[in-house]
Parts: sequence; C-alpha cells; structure tokens
Amino acid sequence: QKEVEQNSGPLSVPEGAIASLNCTYSDRGSQSFFWYRQYSGKSPELIMSIYSNGDKEDGRFTAQLNKASQYVSLLIRDSQPSDSATYLCAVWRWDTGTASKLTFGTGTRLQVTL
Amino acid sequence: EAGVAQSPRYKIIEKRQSVAFWCNPISGHATLYWYQQILGQGPKLLIQFQNNGVVDDSQLPKDRFSAERLKGVDSTLKIQPAKLEDSAVYLCASSLSLAGYEQYFGPGTRLTVT
Repeated sequence: QKEVEQNSGPLSVPEGAIASLNCTYSDRGSQSFFWYRQYSGKSPELIMSIYSNGDKEDGRFTAQLNKASQYVSLLIRDSQPSDSATYLCAVWRWDTGTASKLTFGTGTRLQVTL
Repeated sequence: EAGVAQSPRYKIIEKRQSVAFWCNPISGHATLYWYQQILGQGPKLLIQFQNNGVVDDSQLPKDRFSAERLKGVDSTLKIQPAKLEDSAVYLCASSLSLAGYEQYFGPGTRLTVT
C-alpha cells in the first residue's frame, strides 16, 4: 500500500464547475496535511494546509480532513482554465527524537475545459 | 520576501560525469530539504538539514550523492558519478523549522543524464 494515494487522473471538469480531488494516507500518526499545485515544468506551490478535522476554506479552495477515515480532499469551486495543473497531496509526521517526514502522493492531473 | 533560489536551472551531462546543484533558502528558514522528482511522480525526499546538521539522509544514495549545508544557509547537492536513472528534477525546499511548518520550493534543477 502506498503511503499517500491519489488518482492520477486526468480529472476533467468544465469551466465554472467544482473540482473534487481526493487523497488517502496510510500512517495514522500523520499530523499535518498539505495540497500543492504544480504546473507543467514548474515546481510545487503550496496552496492549502490543514491540521485538524473538518473544513478549511481559502477563496475558491476548500480542504477537508477526516483523520478517522485517513482521507484528505481539495475542492476547487468555480474552476478556471488556469487551475489546470497537477495537484499533489502531502502528508507530514514528526515524532520527538526522530526526523520529520513529508510524503507526497503522485498527484492528480486536473484539466478544466472551456 | 525572496523565495528559494536554485541554480543551475538546467543541466545536461553524460553518465559517469559529476554535477553539483546549489540552493539558497528563504531567509530565516532553519530547515532545508532536497527532493528528487522523477517525471510523473511526486517529490521524494533525499536529505533534510536543520541549520547545518543532517536530520535525515536515509533515502540519499550515499555511494554517489552527497550534500552539505555550510554555515546553516546555502546548500549544495552533488552527484558523482551520475547514472541515467538520475535524470530528474532536483528540488530544494525550506521551512521555518522541522515542526510541521509549510515547505516552500525553489524552481528546481532539471538534470538530464545521457
């Protein structure tokens, strides 16, 4: 089982629709969760972070976390062509006395169509 | 605030040659990370530093890869000798500390080994 799993896509949504991106993780001790956006040929850009169960909203983006189900999601409302990119889910764990570790999924490619 | 700087942006070398990458993190960020991202995959952590000390290098192929962070600021990652499978984007990231803060990525160095 992969540590962080994402559907590779592509996920195709029409402009103006809601895009829903999902991620599951295997380590129950994971403490922090991040979504990065990566345009083709560019480096990952942090767009959302979430640390506790529930929803966190920032503009058109909403991150959702359910630690009991080991599930993280990202909703993009009013999707725009400029949202077309690969979205990487990343999960972080740190234990006292050991190194912290940020583990990435392979990413979901989102295509927003006109 | 200036972001993470990396150089060079692109490098093409032949197998068995050596190569070095440079990274300057965001000012004030104590923690620095080197990742390898192979096409179609998420970034994979190679090594992380806290100030100028190595915190985790468990995934660094130490027979050919080395890294240092002198004076707790800039860092260099070296590959010697390079193999074809080292072709990837090498990403440097930094964060305020190990304790779960967001990581911010530099533009990356795209390495092609022929």
